[in-house]
Formats: sequence, C-alpha cells, structure tokens
Amino acid sequence: KAGVTQTPRYLIKTRGQQVTLSCSPISGHRSVSWYQQTPGQGLQFLFEYFSETQRNKGNFPGRFSGRQFSNSRSEMNVSTLELGDSALYLCASSSTGGSGNTIYFGEGSWLTVV
Amino acid sequence: GESVGLHLPTLSVQEGDNSIINCAYSNSASDYFIWYKQESGKGPQFIIDIRSNMDKRQGQRVTVLLNKTVKHLSLQIAATQPGDSAVYFCAERKQAGTALIFGKGTTLSVSS
Repeated sequence: KAGVTQTPRYLIKTRGQQVTLSCSPISGHRSVSWYQQTPGQGLQFLFEYFSETQRNKGNFPGRFSGRQFSNSRSEMNVSTLELGDSALYLCASSSTGGSGNTIYFGEGSWLTVV
Repeated sequence: GESVGLHLPTLSVQEGDNSIINCAYSNSASDYFIWYKQESGKGPQFIIDIRSNMDKRQGQRVTVLLNKTVKHLSLQIAATQPGDSAVYFCAERKQAGTALIFGKGTTLSVSS
C-alpha cells in the first residue's frame, strides 16, 4: 500500500511568486492535513480537509490556501511568497480524521524562497 | 499557551541501552497522543500512539506511557540501535478536530 505522496520534493521560488504543492493520501484515506515545518517554529498546522471541505484551519495568513478533490488528493497554494515561507511542507492523511485515527505523513516538499 | 513540549532537546545513548524520551503536555482535554520519528530529510514517521483512556501501550521495542495526573508522556525504546538516531516528536490532538500540536523534538543520538 503506497504511503502519502507529495510533489514536488524540492523547489525554489522567488519572492512574490506563488507556489502549488500536491499531495496524494494513502488509498482509502479521506482526511488530508497540511503542516509547515521550520527550524524556528517547528511543526505547525496549516489546515485540514475532509470530503472536499476545509474542516480545520491553523493560524496562517490568507496567502496560504488549499483544496481537496473528489479523489481525496489535495493541493495547497501559497501566494505572494515571502522569504519566511521557506520551509518543509508536510502533508498527512488519515482515514476519517476522527479521534484515534492514525495520521501518516508524507516526505514533504522543501520550498526555498529567494 | 497550550503546547506539547519535551524535556530535553538532545539525548545521547550507547547502542544496546534503553532510551527514554519525555514529553509534557498542557491540555487536559487532549485525548490522543502520538510519537513520531523524523530522520534527516524525511517526513515524520509514525511510531506509536495512545489514547487518553490508556496508561501504557507497547509496540515492537517501543513503549509509550501516559500519566494524565501530571500530564506527562514518555517513549521508551528498548535496546537502542544506531538506526534509531533521529528527532523524536510527541504530538497531542484535542477532541474537537484533527490538528496535531507538536512538541519541539528531542534529537536522539546512538553511538556504537
């Protein structure tokens, strides 16, 4: 059974540009969540989607957005990139996202903003 | 604020020793706790989890202990191996949703 797949693995963008990251959850999982990991702030929750609906949202500016498709695949977008957006962006999936459901992470997308 | 923290940023052990990584949490409403292992350049790897109605759970070479009285979580790794070297994070999840709150991580270094 394939794990959580994220693309691209590495990318470099320029300040002011926008970026889209993609995530394919484990087969059968309907909940997808996104996290940002930086050395200074650690792992921080961005948002979570279930059945194409955003169910939870972390404390990030509106430049960070996401969506989920009918096949549970998800994308996140960051517009007007800032240097501080450089981070490892992690996608995680679980079956329903309910309490007690194990959450599995992908390998992440490394974003560098220059 | 509410957060999950770890007592020690680094832990160095010898191969074959037992390792204990500790974590303190502050939200008594959290009902689910997870330990992840993250190797350099990789995403967090699920190790073991425990629900708040349990005190102990065992896996292969790992045991998680939950003490709700003092809001303390620990991960015990038996017969630590060099391949166990990584950063270990504890995370908690509140009842209301699925957002995980992570601690800052403990770097485990295993020397042979």
